[in-house]
Amino acid sequence: DTEVTQTPKHLVMGMTNKKSLKCEQHMGHRAMYWYKQKAKKPPELMFVYSYEKLSINESVPSRFSPECPNSSLLNLHLHALQPEDSALYLCASSQPLPGPSRSPLHFGNGTRLTVT
Amino acid sequence: GQQVMQIPQYQHVQEGEDFTTYCNSSTTLSNIQWYKQRPGGHPVFLIQLVKSGEVKKQKRLTFQFGEAKKNSSLHITATQTTDVGTYFCADPGRALTFGSGTRLQVQP
Repeated sequence: DTEVTQTPKHLVMGMTNKKSLKCEQHMGHRAMYWYKQKAKKPPELMFVYSYEKLSINESVPSRFSPECPNSSLLNLHLHALQPEDSALYLCASSQPLPGPSRSPLHFGNGTRLTVT
Repeated sequence: GQQVMQIPQYQHVQEGEDFTTYCNSSTTLSNIQWYKQRPGGHPVFLIQLVKSGEVKKQKRLTFQFGEAKKNSSLHITATQTTDVGTYFCADPGRALTFGSGTRLQVQP
């Protein structure tokens, strides 16, 4: 069981659709993350929010738009995606720590996205 | 940019055999984390190593951090079918960056 909840579990969307992925955690964590994972590859960092502010954007295309409405919620808005964007999208949370040391990440089960 | 590579990419063992995955960084790491991802699942945190030369054990799993803090290893003694999955080392640094991963298959 995971303490980070992601919805939906599966999503199929066309290239002209607009959809949103949602993530929620109630562990009191103040850092939240979006990762993208293709089959047989490691998760790749997309965005990091720290104290509800975007702190890292790994040069992600603008068709992906993150939003952090409050400390428990993280959204990823999708628009005009391409078939190559099909992947598992993982949300994670952690306690932000000063300096390079970082507390463990707690991952959700992910949303498996297919773009047709 | 910084890269964290793991070898081997894939290993198939008979149940009861030992398994080791190695993680190598192009730069010195302040610390290192290890995660396991079961097939169809999400990464789950296993352990964090902080000190140079540190060794930690969790039942049949032994984790080591190199003296120069540029490499790490995970050793599993007497593998079981429940050990199946992909093992990732990860550099917590600026944000968690995963190594390339080692996929372990255990034949009963």
